[in-house]
This record gives sequence, structure tokens and C-alpha cells, in this order.
Amino acid sequence: RKEVEQDPGPFNVPEGATVAFNCTYSNSASQSFFWYRQDCRKEPKLLMSVYSSGNEDGRFTAQLNRASQYISLLIRDSKLSDSATYLCVVIPYNFNKFYFGSGTKLNVKP
Amino acid sequence: NAGVTQTPKFQVLKTGQSMTLQCAQDMNHEYMSWYRQDPGMGLRLIHYSVGAGITDQGEVPNGYNVSRSTTEDFPLRLLSAAPSQTSVYFCASSYSGQPNRANTGELFFGEGSRLTVL
Repeated sequence: RKEVEQDPGPFNVPEGATVAFNCTYSNSASQSFFWYRQDCRKEPKLLMSVYSSGNEDGRFTAQLNRASQYISLLIRDSKLSDSATYLCVVIPYNFNKFYFGSGTKLNVKP
Repeated sequence: NAGVTQTPKFQVLKTGQSMTLQCAQDMNHEYMSWYRQDPGMGLRLIHYSVGAGITDQGEVPNGYNVSRSTTEDFPLRLLSAAPSQTSVYFCASSYSGQPNRANTGELFFGEGSRLTVL
């Protein structure tokens, strides 16, 4: 079983839409959680960390559900520039590896 | 700031050839790692290191060697290239240990190396 699983998409949404991605993880001892963004043929870059209490950064909201072992990313008022692949990342209790999901592709259309 | 520097950016090899992908970081990060990314497979960890002199295997280590003689450098060696190793390779570094105020846990990536094995 994979450490981290994501719906690969693609999610095709119009500008202005709200879209949500989920990511599940298998190790209940996982400690830290992140969302990364990867543009086509580029390296991944940190979008935001995910805190137990949930956190928001502008149009982006990340949430963690430890009981069900999933993290989510909500994007409100989608922009064309949000088109990218979104990767969830999980770090286990010993903090020595970063486990990546396979990514969810988002296409925002005019 | 240079951050994480990978070379070469592109390489074409013939089956059976060997080569080394170079990775250097100037952020004094203890943790360094190599990933490969294939379509539909996401990023898969090849090898990682938590400090100079310490390396360990990731999910897909076969066919690759690493060493960590300095904090800054973490080269990845392909011993005998095979077409299955055609991929995009990313080097990444971070501070080690539990994220805190000084260490956000962010993983910094190089720009990637696109390798084709014929």
C-alpha cells in the first residue's frame, strides 16, 4: 500500500470555481503534512504547511483529519494561474523522509 | 542565493553506460535526497542522507549509488544505465528533524535533470 494516495484528476474547473482535493496517508504516526505545487516540467515548490487546527493562506485552506488520516486543500475563486499539479507530502514520526502523493492535476479554464 | 543546484539538466545515455548526477546545496541543510518522477507515478525516493557520511535507501534504490562526503554535495551514480531509468531526477534538501519556528520542514528542490537511456 502506498504511503500517500491522491486522486490524479484532472480536475477541470472554470475560473472563479471552488475546488477541493483530498489526500490520504497510511501511517497513523505521521507527524507533518504539506501541500506542494508543481508547474509543468518544473520542480515542486511548497504551497503551504498543514496544521492540526487547519490553516488558511488567502484563497487556499488546508485541513488535517487525523482520525480519518487525510488532508485536504480547498482553493476558492480559482484563477487561470492556479493550473498546476498539487502534491501532498507527509513526514513520518522520525522526520527522515518526505513521502509524496502522485499529485492531482488542476486545469482552470476561462 | 544558489539554493539547490543540479547538473546536468539534460543527458542522453546508451544502455550500460554509467554517469553521475551532481547535486549541491548552499543552505547548510543536513537532509538531502534524490527522487525520480515518472508520468503518473509521482515522486519516488531513491536515496537520502541525514548528514555527511550517512546515507540510506528509499523506495527505488536499485541501480543507483550515492555518497555524502560533505554537507554540501550529494551525487547520484547510475552504475549501468537501463531504459527503465529514463526519468526526471530531482535533488532536494531540507533541515533535519521536527519542523519548528526555525525549520518549516520545507523541502527545497533543484530544477531537475532529464535523463534518457537509449
